[in-house]
Amino acid sequence: LAKTTQPISMDSYEGQEVNITCSHNNIATNDYITWYQQFPSQGPRFIIQGYKTKVTNEVASLFIPADRKSSTLSLPRVSLSDTAVYYCLVGVPYMDSNYQLIWGAGTKLIIKP
Amino acid sequence: DAGVTQSPTHLIKTRGQQVTLRCSPKSGHDTVSWYQQALGQGPQFIFQYYEEEERQRGNFPDRFSGHQFPNYSSELNVNALLLGDSALYLCASGTGQMNTEAFFGQGTRLTVV
Repeated sequence: LAKTTQPISMDSYEGQEVNITCSHNNIATNDYITWYQQFPSQGPRFIIQGYKTKVTNEVASLFIPADRKSSTLSLPRVSLSDTAVYYCLVGVPYMDSNYQLIWGAGTKLIIKP
Repeated sequence: DAGVTQSPTHLIKTRGQQVTLRCSPKSGHDTVSWYQQALGQGPQFIFQYYEEEERQRGNFPDRFSGHQFPNYSSELNVNALLLGDSALYLCASGTGQMNTEAFFGQGTRLTVV
């Protein structure tokens, strides 16, 4: 099974833009890329989802190149409350037509004052 | 809307025992997925239930089983508990089979001693 690769950790400062990149080989042709945020002792929270090019919502942007083998989550003007673990989620082919959802190891983002 | 609710929140069991965890999906959702998250790691997909059937399964032994009821709620059963089963068990609900845009519960913290 293909795996996703993310930086283990990142540091930034309040007010900065933060970009987190995820590499994902063998992504399914019709599958989406999804990013989640998780605080300690809580379940993950959906941030954004995309298929190609660029998607933007009220909290983040997602950039996906044409080959879809990677994606970049962009968090504008981060604050201390954005300190969390960020997961990249893709579906990969598994046992013919069944799809298994694979989570990356996550990126621990620490925002400093 | 109560969102996804899981019970119990915490549980301590002895090796060899059996445990049942419960999940009520978000209103309007018909798909439930279960994940195991060890401390410091990303969630690992256990299985997904849709229309009261197990539709996808991750790399977990048969000791892990589940059920989905007509009201879409779900149970996760683990038999012959091992110390290594200690983890946060997360339930996620969504619509449809792929369930990539999922809503997670707070999880059940299981400790096996």
